[in-house]
Amino acid sequence: KAGVTQTPRYLIKTRGQQVTLSCSPISGHRSVSWYQQTPGQGLQFLFEYFSETQRNKGNFPGRFSGRQFSNSRSEMNVSTLELGDSALYLCASRSGQTNTGELFFGEGSRLTVL
Amino acid sequence: AQRVTQPEKLLSVFKGAPVELKCNYSYSGSPELFWYVQYSRQRLQLLLRHISRESIKGFTADLNKGETSFHLKKPFAQEEDSAMYYCALSGSGGNAGNMLTFGGGTRLMVKP
Repeated sequence: KAGVTQTPRYLIKTRGQQVTLSCSPISGHRSVSWYQQTPGQGLQFLFEYFSETQRNKGNFPGRFSGRQFSNSRSEMNVSTLELGDSALYLCASRSGQTNTGELFFGEGSRLTVL
Repeated sequence: AQRVTQPEKLLSVFKGAPVELKCNYSYSGSPELFWYVQYSRQRLQLLLRHISRESIKGFTADLNKGETSFHLKKPFAQEEDSAMYYCALSGSGGNAGNMLTFGGGTRLMVKP
């Protein structure tokens, strides 16, 4: 099975721009979640989608949004970029509807905001 | 609010020495605890979870609800254990289990 795939792997944006990141989960996985990783704050939960519905949202401003498509692929969008949005954005997928279950992570999309 | 604390950012031991990576948590209900590991140039991956009560690569972790701890232990460290280790927690009710709260991570360095 192919692993979780995230695109793009690296990108550079300037303040005020917006960015869209994409995540393709492992085939058959219906849950996709997003995490932001920074040196200062560590790994922080952004949101989780299951069957195109957002089930949980972390403590991030409304500039951060996401969606999931019928094929379980997910995108996250950050509008009006700020310098502090520079981070590694990790996507993770898991198979089931139940709470327990191993998360499979992608390699991440590294966003640099100048 | 749920919180995970890993007090050591860096732990350095010699090969063959015992290892204990500390993890403390705060959560009002019954949490599920995990250890994730990231080896150099690899993805973050699950090492073990407390409900499985398993030993993976010689590592074990016991959930101590009284001390709210979930320390990761290995009796004899190997050089290939060098990695970044993250303790993580999820809730157990409703949708609470669908998000993980991670600790800040501990970098384990095993010296030859």
